[in-house]
Amino acid sequence: DTEVTQTPKHLVMGMTNKKSLKCEQHMGHRAMYWYKQKAKKPPELMFVYSYEKLSINESVPSRFSPECPNSSLLNLHLHALQPEDSALYLCASSSSWAGTSNQPQHFGDGTRLSIL
Amino acid sequence: QKEVEQNSGPLSVPEGAIASLNCTYSDRVSQSFFWYRQYSGKSPELIMSIYSNGDKEDGRFTAQLNKASQYVSLLIRDSQPSDSATYLCAVNEENYGQNFVFGPGTRLSVLP
Repeated sequence: DTEVTQTPKHLVMGMTNKKSLKCEQHMGHRAMYWYKQKAKKPPELMFVYSYEKLSINESVPSRFSPECPNSSLLNLHLHALQPEDSALYLCASSSSWAGTSNQPQHFGDGTRLSIL
Repeated sequence: QKEVEQNSGPLSVPEGAIASLNCTYSDRVSQSFFWYRQYSGKSPELIMSIYSNGDKEDGRFTAQLNKASQYVSLLIRDSQPSDSATYLCAVNEENYGQNFVFGPGTRLSVLP
């Protein structure tokens, strides 16, 4: 069991649907991350939130929209996705983002997303 | 452009042997290094972190860092079939927040 909880574990959606992925951590971490991982590839960073503010957006298409309602929650809103967006979406958190680099990131179990 | 390289494997070792996983990185300002284990279909799990040159041991795992050679390795002693997984090397640099760059991962297979 991880201390970063992601829901749902699996999601199948059509290209016209709107859905959201959710992530929650109760470790008091102030940095949260979204990654996308395709099969047999390493995780690719999508977004970083530090103290509930968007700090990094790695040129992600606008059909992915992140939201950080509070320090424990991170959402990823999905709209009009493409089949190539099918992947494992990982949420991670760390105690801080800037200032100290030696903070490991802790990953949730991920949401496996399939776009029909 | 930061790059992190690992042999993709698969690296096959017999049960009880030492598995040696290697990682090289291109950015000289990188300061923090992490090893993650990822089982198929699961999320990455942190197993070791290292920040200073030399060796760091935790149970059957030893991480080795050589900043001059821009090289970090992970040794797994007494390898078990349950160690069979993909091992990801992650590198973070000092002055840009938590911008991890992951290597492509090495697939390890421990044969009974």
